[in-house]
Amino acid sequence: QKEVEQNSGPLSVPEGAIASLNCTYSDRGSQSFFWYRQYSGKSPELIMFIYSNGDKEDGRFTAQLNKASQYVSLLIRDSQPSDSATYLCAVSPGLTGGGNKLTFGTGTQLKVEL
Amino acid sequence: KAGVTQTPRYLIKTRGQQVTLSCSPISGHRSVSWYQQTPGQGLQFLFEYFSETQRNKGNFPGRFSGRQFSNSRSEMNVSTLELGDSALYLCASSDEAVRNTIYFGEGSWLTVV
Repeated sequence: QKEVEQNSGPLSVPEGAIASLNCTYSDRGSQSFFWYRQYSGKSPELIMFIYSNGDKEDGRFTAQLNKASQYVSLLIRDSQPSDSATYLCAVSPGLTGGGNKLTFGTGTQLKVEL
Repeated sequence: KAGVTQTPRYLIKTRGQQVTLSCSPISGHRSVSWYQQTPGQGLQFLFEYFSETQRNKGNFPGRFSGRQFSNSRSEMNVSTLELGDSALYLCASSDEAVRNTIYFGEGSWLTVV
């Protein structure tokens, strides 16, 4: 079993729709959870992090965490073609910067169609 | 505020050679970590440095090494290069005082021929 699992996609959604990206993790001791966006040929860009159960909203993005189910998700509202990218879920054992050993999923490719 | 700076951006090396990659973290960030990204394995953690000390290490052979200087700049070295070392090498910096701030540089694309 992989430590962090994501559906590789591609996930295709029409412009303006909600895109839902999911991630499960195996280490119950994980404390911090990140979503990165990576465009082809570019480096990962931090979108959001979450460490408490529940929802965290930032603009069009909402991260959801359920530690009991070991599940974290990212919702993108009003999806735009510019959101088309690979979304990487990452998990860290630490709450502070001391937990910088991120374990990444393989990423979900999102395609937002006109 | 400048971001994470990595040099060189692109390089081609021959099998058996060694390579050194450099990373300058965001000003004020004292933690630097390195990752390797390949199409087959995805993003994998190499090691992390804080205050010139290696704090975490991933599952890579000893050919991969790194260090951090007193100004928080970091270098990683790969010796005896193999074809499979061809990858995007990413550096990330973090501010210990601010929770969950891990930002990546643009990476160094290494091709081993």
